[in-house]
Amino acid sequence: DAGVIQSPRHEVTEMGQEVTLRCKPISGHNSLFWYRQTMMRGLELLIYFNNNVPIDDSGMPEDRFSAKMPNASFSTLKIQPSEPRDSAVYFCASSSDSGYYEQYFGPGTRLTVT
Amino acid sequence: SQQGEEDPQALSIQEGENATMNCSYKTSINNLQWYRQNSGRGLVHLILIRSNEREKHSGRLRVTLDTSKKSSSLLITASRAADTASYFCAIPRGKLIFGQGTELSVKP
Repeated sequence: DAGVIQSPRHEVTEMGQEVTLRCKPISGHNSLFWYRQTMMRGLELLIYFNNNVPIDDSGMPEDRFSAKMPNASFSTLKIQPSEPRDSAVYFCASSSDSGYYEQYFGPGTRLTVT
Repeated sequence: SQQGEEDPQALSIQEGENATMNCSYKTSINNLQWYRQNSGRGLVHLILIRSNEREKHSGRLRVTLDTSKKSSSLLITASRAADTASYFCAIPRGKLIFGQGTELSVKP
């Protein structure tokens, strides 16, 4: 199993540009999570899906952030327009349960907005 | 706060020594999980201990859970330089809530 796959691994963009992060969860997992990690705020859950349906998006910072999961094997996190304060490492994780069991993390996307 | 809080925030030891990290929480739990994060990498699940378990082992890892004190500890025995990482406890509240982590540095 390839594990959780994220792309790109690194993204550098200018303020105001649209950024799309992609995630492929582990096959057979029905829950997918998007996290953001910074030194200041630690690891924050942005949104999670169960069976492709968004369950909790209370962590999404503002309307500039949106996430979709069109099918069980793909999810995107979009930031439009991006701002320097969005610079962080974004992780995707998947699980075979909605959150009571272990999560498997991808390698992350390091986003830098200049 | 619903999240687990790790203690200490940072720990520096010599190779071969044991490392103990603690996690306290405030609510009842179904289980408690420990994760490791190496620098620049995603988190890796280490061990899950259920609320009806008191102790669990996995290789050089030993996790204890005291639900009466709402605390858990992670012990790494005979530490190695490769154990240098951040360690997080996480509790499920419909979703996993992660603590701020303990930064462990193991010096060769």
